[in-house]
Amino acid sequence: KQEVTQIPAALSVPEGENLVLNCSFTDSAIYNLQWFRQDPGKGLTSLLLIQSSQREQTSGRLNASLDKSSGRSTLYIAASQPGDSATYLCAVFFGNEKLTFGTGTRLTIIP
Amino acid sequence: KAGVTQTPRYLIKTRGQQVTLSCSPISGHRSVSWYQQTPGQGLQFLFEYFSETQRNKGNFPGRFSGRQFSNSRSEMNVSTLELGDSALYLCASAPIADPYNEQFFGPGTRLTVL
Repeated sequence: KQEVTQIPAALSVPEGENLVLNCSFTDSAIYNLQWFRQDPGKGLTSLLLIQSSQREQTSGRLNASLDKSSGRSTLYIAASQPGDSATYLCAVFFGNEKLTFGTGTRLTIIP
Repeated sequence: KAGVTQTPRYLIKTRGQQVTLSCSPISGHRSVSWYQQTPGQGLQFLFEYFSETQRNKGNFPGRFSGRQFSNSRSEMNVSTLELGDSALYLCASAPIADPYNEQFFGPGTRLTVL
């Protein structure tokens, strides 16, 4: 069964720290992987898309990496800010033309 | 460029009723997908439309249906509502025929079934 796992479910860090969010998936034959953030009661905001041929993607203070052989992706957030507090979701295209989502990591940045 | 819009934003219905949700994709986008988000099951894929054709379908009962119009706007219908249908329904759009392209989500419709 193709699954996406995100651990931990919740994370709290002081403002200014760098942090890493983890995502693991069960099948290395993926097409793309996409990271999203979701604020409470809101929709999903796309952060980064990594294609299967890429190893990483960067946008501002965010850097996402992809290691298909180990079934892992990480989202690195530099110099965290209170506005980064949200739930971060990892989603994978396994080749069945639909996104399979992890359950998310709820991130709290402590001022 | 305007983002994905969904209407209505909030709905309250009773068991047995039916409901129709609407999604307008980003201008120029032709693929529209629908997802259901609940606290227990997380985000689950409902279906995807491209050029008015359903291209993919998730594991939901036939009470859930959808369609896409020639202007790429999409509607989702749920008949004979059950309490378990209470959820945030999210719509996503993508620009081209590649089904693995980056997905852009709308704000969602919060459906409450009483």
